Amino acid sequence: NAGVTQTPKFQVLKTGQSMTLQCAQDMNHEYMSWYRQDPGMGLRLIHYSVGAGITDQGEVPNGYNVSRSTTEDFPLRLLSAAPSQTSVYFCASSYSTGGGSEAFFGQGTRLTVV
Amino acid sequence: SQQGEEDPQALSIQEGENATMNCSYKTSINNLQWYRQNSGRGLVHLILIRSNEREKHSGRLRVTLDTSKKSSSLLITASRAADTASYFCATERINTDKLIFGTGTRLQVFP
Repeated sequence: NAGVTQTPKFQVLKTGQSMTLQCAQDMNHEYMSWYRQDPGMGLRLIHYSVGAGITDQGEVPNGYNVSRSTTEDFPLRLLSAAPSQTSVYFCASSYSTGGGSEAFFGQGTRLTVV
Repeated sequence: SQQGEEDPQALSIQEGENATMNCSYKTSINNLQWYRQNSGRGLVHLILIRSNEREKHSGRLRVTLDTSKKSSSLLITASRAADTASYFCATERINTDKLIFGTGTRLQVFP
């Protein structure tokens, strides 16, 4: 049972480059989300999706795009990387929201923008 | 802005002692959850308490929720060195689908 899989685990980008962080889950969860974690800031919500074809912004969406074409996949795109986007990125999925269900997290992608 | 603020930011105790962490939040919620993160790893769910519940137990964990004060506490009894980790509260706000995390408490348990 793979759970939530994130790729790559590490990435170094130059300022201005673009890239896509991949996230896939095999639990048939409707809800998926992306967070970034910076020292002393906890986790901040970037974007989330309540189902295929539906996405919405979180707390810090600027500079990031998402799409949800399938239930399993929720990629995060950095359009033009900036040093301020250096962070650890976590993808999470859960069965639902509102009714309250636990979120399952991937192991993270450590991104450095130079 | 972030919903939850944990207190203290860092806590150091000896094995066998109890550890208490507090979480305050700003808006009405459906539920509040606690997560644990070992260094360099993803978060793991510990316990969920709904807005109509006041206390919940799971093994050595005890969570309380006071919606009038918009606060929650996580108690770990008889702590072990393996409990060393960061602990985060997360709130699911009413009428949103967002799970918002606090800033976390770093717990160090010395053998």
